[in-house]
Amino acid sequence: TQLLEQSPQFLSIQEGENLTVYCNSSSVFSSLQWYRQEPGEGPVLLVTVVTGGEVKKLKRLTFQFGDARKDSSLHITAAQPGDTGLYLCAGAGNFNKFYFGSGTKLNVKP
Amino acid sequence: NAGVTQNPKFQVLKTGQSMTLQCAQDMNHNSMYWYRQDPGMGLRLIYYSASEGTTDKGEVPNGYNVSRLNKREFSLRLESAAPSQTSVYFCASSEIKGYTEAFFGQGTRLTVV
Repeated sequence: TQLLEQSPQFLSIQEGENLTVYCNSSSVFSSLQWYRQEPGEGPVLLVTVVTGGEVKKLKRLTFQFGDARKDSSLHITAAQPGDTGLYLCAGAGNFNKFYFGSGTKLNVKP
Repeated sequence: NAGVTQNPKFQVLKTGQSMTLQCAQDMNHNSMYWYRQDPGMGLRLIYYSASEGTTDKGEVPNGYNVSRLNKREFSLRLESAAPSQTSVYFCASSEIKGYTEAFFGQGTRLTVV
């Protein structure tokens, strides 16, 4: 059983469309991270959210941490083919342990 | 600045063989981790080391052992490989600075036949 559930699992969209990826848990986390992973590579950190209700923007990407610090969302505006990849959320628990969601595989078609 | 380095990048083992996956980080981080990644499963924590001299089990530790050799190095050992251990293995390190962020190596692709 995954501690963090991500949805959707797969997403295939046209360039220019908007999308939202969700990360939900029944557990409270001290912080939550979003990573992006390309084929053959390790995950690369995009952002960390720490405070309940926090919103962070990274160019066309908007990240939100739920008020209760149990869930998060990633919204991409005007998706581009370069956004293609596997998006992973991870919650930080006790003793520096990270728990990852199962990931959302995004394909942006030109 | 290499970050987190894993060796080897690829490995094929026969069932029952043993091997050690190597990981080293040059960021002076206290915490290190081993994850495995399988299709549709995200990353699952095998073992972690909160600091030099300590190790603890994660979500899927069976069939694995670890050694925190020093602050830089954290190795993962498969004593008797099984086909179920075919996976991509990632090492990561982190440091607490108010909140925790993990930095990953490029992975070891292991196939057990």
